Amino acid sequence: GAGVSQSPRYKVAKRGQDVALRCDPISGHVSLFWYQQALGQGPEFLTYFQNEAQLDKSGLPSDRFFAERPEGSVSTLKIQRTQQEDSAVYLCASSFGGRVASTGELFFGEGSRLTVL
Amino acid sequence: GNSVTQMEGPVTLSEEAFLTINCTYTATGYPSLFWYVQYPGEGLQLLLKATKADDKGSNKGFEATYRKETTSFHLEKGSVQVSDSAVYFCALNTGGFKTIFGAGTRLFVKA
Repeated sequence: GAGVSQSPRYKVAKRGQDVALRCDPISGHVSLFWYQQALGQGPEFLTYFQNEAQLDKSGLPSDRFFAERPEGSVSTLKIQRTQQEDSAVYLCASSFGGRVASTGELFFGEGSRLTVL
Repeated sequence: GNSVTQMEGPVTLSEEAFLTINCTYTATGYPSLFWYVQYPGEGLQLLLKATKADDKGSNKGFEATYRKETTSFHLEKGSVQVSDSAVYFCALNTGGFKTIFGAGTRLFVKA
């Protein structure tokens, strides 16, 4: 497709369940980012991939969060043993270059809204 | 650390009114500054950017000037339309992997 595609758009999980969120970036984009957006807040950085290499995962809130991009295109964000505080919108973004500021533009998907009951 | 502060919303205006959404930042070095917009049901998209002091970014009638002396990047539009109703996010990047976003300002424009 032409844009960043995320699935599922909505996910309801019971506390303790594992979830997997998928991101399909724009074809040819080298960089892929995951952000977490709590209600009424701006996006908060989680992790960054350049092709298949995860270069920064400093924003992942705990070791229950894991992200991968094995072939340098599609990425999956996995959350194990979900907790209520994990409820948020998870945004995926991609950009063509390896340095965001030089290109200046992140292309975002519509997000996956996770609700943990 | 680096941070972005923007005015709280919601901001409610009548069509053709003048819009200002304030944004100030704290950053080490010389960041690039951005405004992103999120229309209802859509993902965030870049509205405009400025990469150095005194640069003016502009797009779709919106403008913002990078003011290093006041560490600000206020968003302005001379005459808003109903279709401008959205959430606006100010953001900065200091050249690394992380783009830092403000909390967002929701704009409602009434016909």
